[in-house]
Amino acid sequence: EAQVTQNPRYLITVTGKKLTVTCSQNMNHEYMSWYRQDPGLGLRQIYYSMNVEVTDKGDVPEGYKVSRKEKRNFPLILESPSPNQTSLYFCASSFSGGLEETQYFGPGTRLLVL
Amino acid sequence: QKEVEQDPGPLSVPEGAIVSLNCTYSNSAFQYFMWYRQYSRKGPELLMYTYSSGNKEDGRFTAQVDKSSKYISLFIRDSQPSDSATYLCAMSGSWGKLQFGAGTQVVVTP
Repeated sequence: EAQVTQNPRYLITVTGKKLTVTCSQNMNHEYMSWYRQDPGLGLRQIYYSMNVEVTDKGDVPEGYKVSRKEKRNFPLILESPSPNQTSLYFCASSFSGGLEETQYFGPGTRLLVL
Repeated sequence: QKEVEQDPGPLSVPEGAIVSLNCTYSNSAFQYFMWYRQYSRKGPELLMYTYSSGNKEDGRFTAQVDKSSKYISLFIRDSQPSDSATYLCAMSGSWGKLQFGAGTQVVVTP
């Protein structure tokens, strides 16, 4: 089954404790992206990757890091989480990043930073 | 000011009515326009995609883009309770980068 998986689905942590949210897709997609979703603000793009070792900033990259060492995986790293990073996070992928292509979204990771 | 503005609703309509959704934007570089549907506790899914201005129809859904007014619309005909969801507009001027609206919550009552 074609899918995007994210782990963990729910996470409660404390300020400053480094964490990683994993994202994996099994569709051999070149393009992957991370978003955060907050009430009243909709989805905002954090980082995206056009292929292995090719990443670029979205609209809200501050406080986040990503890496793309393998085509299927695109982890999101919070080196020193802060309460303003409490949010719902989605990973997405598509074949090549073309805007007419369907982006497949993961189930979301709900993060609470205390 | 946000680049993409969308009324968050909620928008409540009776079953069978036409649902009318819209977004305005400020960046004239946007050329690609999309509508996504998001059910509660799920990720968004692409509904409609339009390049540049014009109309596009797919079943009960019609998307319109008016670049001169920087205004896009989505119409849902013969609405069903299963159409109850949050609808997000999205747009882009460059490969890979997407700007989303805040989303409009739609409730279709039987």
